This record gives sequence, C-alpha cells and structure tokens, in this order.
Amino acid sequence: QKEVEQNSGPLSVPEGAIASLNCTYSDRGSQSFFWYRQYSGKSPELIMSIYSNGDKEDGRFTAQLNKASQYVSLLIRDSQPSDSATYLCAGLDFRRKLTFGQGTILTVHP
Amino acid sequence: NAGVTQTPKFQVLKTGQSMTLQCAQDMNHNSMYWYRQDPGMGLRLIYYSASEGTTDKGEVPNGYNVSRLNKREFSLRLESAAPSQTSVYFCASRTGQMNTEAFFGQGTRLTVV
Repeated sequence: QKEVEQNSGPLSVPEGAIASLNCTYSDRGSQSFFWYRQYSGKSPELIMSIYSNGDKEDGRFTAQLNKASQYVSLLIRDSQPSDSATYLCAGLDFRRKLTFGQGTILTVHP
Repeated sequence: NAGVTQTPKFQVLKTGQSMTLQCAQDMNHNSMYWYRQDPGMGLRLIYYSASEGTTDKGEVPNGYNVSRLNKREFSLRLESAAPSQTSVYFCASRTGQMNTEAFFGQGTRLTVV
C-alpha cells in the first residue's frame, strides 16, 4: 500500500465548475501535506500546503485536512481550461520523508 | 538564482551501462530527494537525504545508489542500467523545516535500450 493514495480520476469538469480532488494517507506520522500541479512535460509546482485540521483558502483553491480520517482534499472553484493538468498530493513525515500519490489528471472543458 | 539544476536533461543508455545523474541546489536547503515518474504512477521516491551526511531509502531504491556529496549536491547512480529504469527522474530540495515545500529540478529523461 502506498503511503499516499489518490484514487480519483481522471476527472473532467466543465469550465466554471468546482473540481474536487481527494487524497488519503496511511502514515499517522505525516504532519504536512502539499498539493502540486504538473503540466505535461514540466516539473511539479506547488499550489498549496496545509498542516492544520480544517480548511485553507488561497484564491480559487481550498485545501482541506482531516487528520482523524487521514484525508486531504483540494477544491478548485471556477475551474478554467488552464487548470487542466495532473494534480499530485504529497505527505511529509517527521523524518522529512516526502511521498506522493499517483496523481489525478484533471481536464476542464470549455 | 538557478534553484535546482539537474544534469543531463536527456540520456540514452544501453542495458548494463552505468551512469550518474547530478543534482545541485543553490538555495541552502538541507533536504534533497530523488524521484522517478512513470505514466500513471505519480512520483515515486527513490532515495532522500534529510540533511547533509544522511541518506535513506524511499519506495523504490533497488538498482540505485545515492551520494550526498555536500549540502548543495545529491547524485543518483545507476550501476547497471535496466530497461525497467527507463523513466523521468526528478530531483527536489527543501529547507528541511516542517511545513515547507519542495522545489523541483527540470527533470532528466532517461531511456535504457
């Protein structure tokens, strides 16, 4: 079992809709979580980080963390075609080990 | 400010050949990581170095070795390349403090024939 799992996808949403991406983790020692976006042929780039239970909002993006359920999510409001990419969830533990999920391919169609 | 620099960007190897992928960062980061990325597999951690002088195995270490040469540089060595090691390899670094993100190099596309 991977330490970080992303089982949803590929995901297709219409322009202007809300895209919901999900991630679960198995290591309760994981302390911080990150969402990265990766365009085809490019390197991953950070969208958001979260380490406290609850919601964290940044513009059109909201990250949610539930440590009791070992669940992390990312909501993208007012989705745009430029949001079409692979979204990677990552967890960081106390040993500074940073592991990623399998990624979710998001397509936003006009 | 170059960030994380990987060399080479592309490489073709024959089965059984060896090579070293180089990674250097100029951000004074403590932690460095090597990942491989295959279609549909996300990023899989090969090895990481939480701080200078330490290295630890990740999810898929078999067939690889690493060296944390100094605080700036973290190299990945393939001693006897196999077709299964055909992949895109990413190096990343971060400060080492909790809650700080990793920054990635541009990747190395390796093909083993």
